[in-house]
Amino acid sequence: QVQLVESGGGLVKPGGSLRLSCAASGFTFSDYYMSWIRQAPGKGLEWVSYISSSSSYTNYADSVKGRFTISRDNAKNSLYLQMNSLRAEDTAVYYCARGFFFDDSSGYQYWGQGTLVTVSS
Amino acid sequence: QSALTQPASVSGSPGQSITISCTGTSSDVGGYNYVSWYQQHPGKAPKLMIYDVSNRPSGVSNRFSGSKSGNTASLTISGLQAEDEADYYCSSYTSSSRVFGGGTKLTVL
Repeated sequence: QVQLVESGGGLVKPGGSLRLSCAASGFTFSDYYMSWIRQAPGKGLEWVSYISSSSSYTNYADSVKGRFTISRDNAKNSLYLQMNSLRAEDTAVYYCARGFFFDDSSGYQYWGQGTLVTVSS
Repeated sequence: QSALTQPASVSGSPGQSITISCTGTSSDVGGYNYVSWYQQHPGKAPKLMIYDVSNRPSGVSNRFSGSKSGNTASLTISGLQAEDEADYYCSSYTSSSRVFGGGTKLTVL
């Protein structure tokens, strides 16, 4: 069965950096676009970034552009999110997600359990 | 990248039907048949309920249905059950990003 397991969250000071990881299993990881989606405490879902299957295409929400970098290692079935210059408003549970089809245009069928990132001094 | 507009809350009694709207623009909801809906219970990851406007993934009850007219998509839940009480989010593809609605809290009275 499809499994997505995030790790790497924690407490970081404003201006600091953190790298999130998502370990995928149960499907051919290299066939699928992957995405990061976050949810601030008590708030709604916010799309953060996606990366195409071969890493040729990436895109970011305006709120993180220039500070976050998405990447993947298909040999390790892993997705990453490098987060720099973190701000208090980046505090959220970060989910990795896989689309219903090979890209993510139709919606996200599989989600990880999420990893909490807290940005605070 | 403005969020899609959903009502903050809706409510209904068991057995009734409710509809949640999701309003966007011609650049997102109105421009593509790529609207999806998610159910989220407290402390849990979202669950895909509808994809491509009106399609249900395997295992999702046929009490859930989706539709779209112009720039507004809708999720209808018929025969409300207690376990349907949750937050619901719509989402749409755009040419450069993906966008979610602000979420709707469904209360089953």
